[in-house]
Amino acid sequence: DADVTQTPRNRITKTGKRIMLECSQTKGHDRMYWYRQDPGLGLRLIYYSFDVKDINKGEISDGYSVSRQAQAKFSLSLESAIPNQTAFYFCATSNTGNTGELFFGEGSRLTVL
Amino acid sequence: GNSVTQMEGPVTLSEEAFLTINCTYTATGYPSLFWYVQYPGEGLQLLLKATKADDKGSNKGFEATYRKETTSFHLEKGSVQVSDSAVYFCALSDGYGSGNTGKLIFGQGTTLQVKP
Repeated sequence: DADVTQTPRNRITKTGKRIMLECSQTKGHDRMYWYRQDPGLGLRLIYYSFDVKDINKGEISDGYSVSRQAQAKFSLSLESAIPNQTAFYFCATSNTGNTGELFFGEGSRLTVL
Repeated sequence: GNSVTQMEGPVTLSEEAFLTINCTYTATGYPSLFWYVQYPGEGLQLLLKATKADDKGSNKGFEATYRKETTSFHLEKGSVQVSDSAVYFCALSDGYGSGNTGKLIFGQGTTLQVKP
């Protein structure tokens, strides 16, 4: 089984709908991240969390919210999806004090019509 | 602010050819540098890393040297294989050890296609 698991892997929805992407990890890491991947733009940070009580905005947090339900779970929500949020979304984890290495999930492909 | 610039792709090579993917960065302080690889349909995985100037990261025949004087971290491999076909991302973090936030800044990615 994957150490960082994302659900759903693929989702098609309509404009205005609320969407939640979930991430769970078995690595025991305290830090978790949500990134968005768009072709030609690399990955951009949406939100990150250093522990259950510490959540921070990344560079593109507008239109998104997150919840850290437990050390192992970090979910990303789109309250009212719009077409330009069509992208791949990746969850990642890391350990405090390391060199910054991230461990990624397999990604969630979201299409907003 | 910190940023990473990679050479544009796609890069198409024949098997056993020499590979170079250029990466330059702009950063304050002493970032760590990374190369991540994304195989089709998968998430990113760490390929190699370097945490200070003149360090050389290496893995699976790939190498990259942290050059502070040229702010570069070019990825090289002497003989590529079809199985190396993937998207390669250069990235930097904002420090080392307990002082770093773990946030990575990624380049735009370079697609490599290796033909038999």
